[in-house]
Amino acid sequence: QSALTQPRSVSGSPGQSVTISCTGSSSDVGGYNYVSWYQQYPGKAPKLMIYDVSKRPSGVPDRFSGSKSGNTASLTISGLQAEDEADYYCCSYAGSYTWVFGGGTKLTVL
Amino acid sequence: QVQLQESGPGLVKPSETLSLTCTVSGYSISSGYYWGWIRQPPGKGLEWIGSMYHSGSTYYNPSLKSRVTISVDRPKNQFSLRLSSVTAADTAVYYCARLNYDIGYWGQGTLVTVSS
Repeated sequence: QSALTQPRSVSGSPGQSVTISCTGSSSDVGGYNYVSWYQQYPGKAPKLMIYDVSKRPSGVPDRFSGSKSGNTASLTISGLQAEDEADYYCCSYAGSYTWVFGGGTKLTVL
Repeated sequence: QVQLQESGPGLVKPSETLSLTCTVSGYSISSGYYWGWIRQPPGKGLEWIGSMYHSGSTYYNPSLKSRVTISVDRPKNQFSLRLSSVTAADTAVYYCARLNYDIGYWGQGTLVTVSS
């Protein structure tokens, strides 16, 4: 069970869009439509932002969207705001009731 | 609403066993979902440790399987983590959580330091 691959950091200016990728394998990301994304501020617990690849929980702004192609999932944040600066983690169901996370991406709003 | 709260020692000696408990409120563990543990070493990413189905079946990260036990105390609506033979590499913030195919509810996390 190997960690999913995310870029260590991404950045964008307010109002711009950024996309964070999450690459796995056919055993996890590519094999199931169960990719989720989490936002984490320093010292805080992660917060679910996207589930089932592209669904948003109630209360999450529609600026956040998710997609998947093959073994790579993506989180896109449009209309960047200062409050979006945080760490973002992807997570995929990996079969046999196991889960695997990405290494995390630090988003900087310039 | 569903709330989870971790509790347990914040300091564990090397080679000993780490034990944490998660108290759930607002939902009965026996009613459904998976209940599990996730950890995050200081400055690093998240790692799924293991989960327990509401029926009691358990599933563990292969890299930790030989050292991990997750159990449930239904009357108290709690579930617990035991991690044996700990080393400094097990120093982390430990989160308990409710899992579906995503993780919708998290505890606030508790820092466990492994040190003599």
